Amino acid sequence: AQSVAQPEDQVNVAEGNPLTVKCTYSVSGNPYLFWYVQYPNRGLQFLLKYITGDNLVKGSYGFEAEFNKSQTSFHLKKPSALVSDSALYFCAVIRQAGTALIFGKGTTLSVSS
Amino acid sequence: DAGVIQSPRHEVTEMGQEVTLRCKPISGHNSLFWYRQTMMRGLELLIYFNNNVPIDDSGMPEDRFSAKMPNASFSTLKIQPSEPRDSAVYFCASSFWIVDQPQHFGDGTRLSIL
Repeated sequence: AQSVAQPEDQVNVAEGNPLTVKCTYSVSGNPYLFWYVQYPNRGLQFLLKYITGDNLVKGSYGFEAEFNKSQTSFHLKKPSALVSDSALYFCAVIRQAGTALIFGKGTTLSVSS
Repeated sequence: DAGVIQSPRHEVTEMGQEVTLRCKPISGHNSLFWYRQTMMRGLELLIYFNNNVPIDDSGMPEDRFSAKMPNASFSTLKIQPSEPRDSAVYFCASSFWIVDQPQHFGDGTRLSIL
C-alpha cells in the first residue's frame, strides 16, 4: 500500500536559518513526489515535484527538495527561512496515473523573527 | 487564468438541512477531486472524477454524501441530511489526468452544521 509519513507535527526555525521539513514514503515502483503549502484560509498550493532525473528539485519561493531513493525520503529544504514561510506543508506521493495522490498529515512550519 | 472556483466560501446551517457545495475546475483539466479537512482527521480524499466519471468514491463517509459532475466545468458535493460532525473545510481540486501534473486547489468551503 502507498503511504506518506511526515514525522514532525511542527518545525520551529528562526528567520534566516535553514529549514528542513521531513517526508518519507512507501510505494511500490517509481514514485512521483510532490510538496504543497497551505496558508491560513486558503487551499493547498503546489510547490515542487520530483518525477525523474536530478535528485535535487527546485521549486517556488526558494524551496527545494532532495529525493533519496535508498532512504525513501523527499525532504523539503530552504537555505534561509522567512517569517512569511510560516504555513502548513504537505508531502504527497502518486504511483501511477488512474490513482489519486496520497497526502501526508502535514507539518506546521513556524518561522520566528 | 482563473483558478478552481468554489462556492459558497462559508456555509452555516442547521443539522438536518441539505447542503450543496459547488466547484468549477480549471478549464481544460479533466480530473476533479473533492477533499475534506478537519483538525482531527487532517486532509481526506472523498471522491475523484476523470472525464466527468466517478473513479473512486471509497472516501465518501456515508450515503448522506453524494457527488456529481454533470459536465467538464461543474461539480457538486451534496450532504443530505447534514449533521454537526460534517463540519469541516471542503476543498475541490482539478488537474490533467497525467501522473506528473499537480493538482490545483480551490480556497475551500468552510461548512458549519449547528
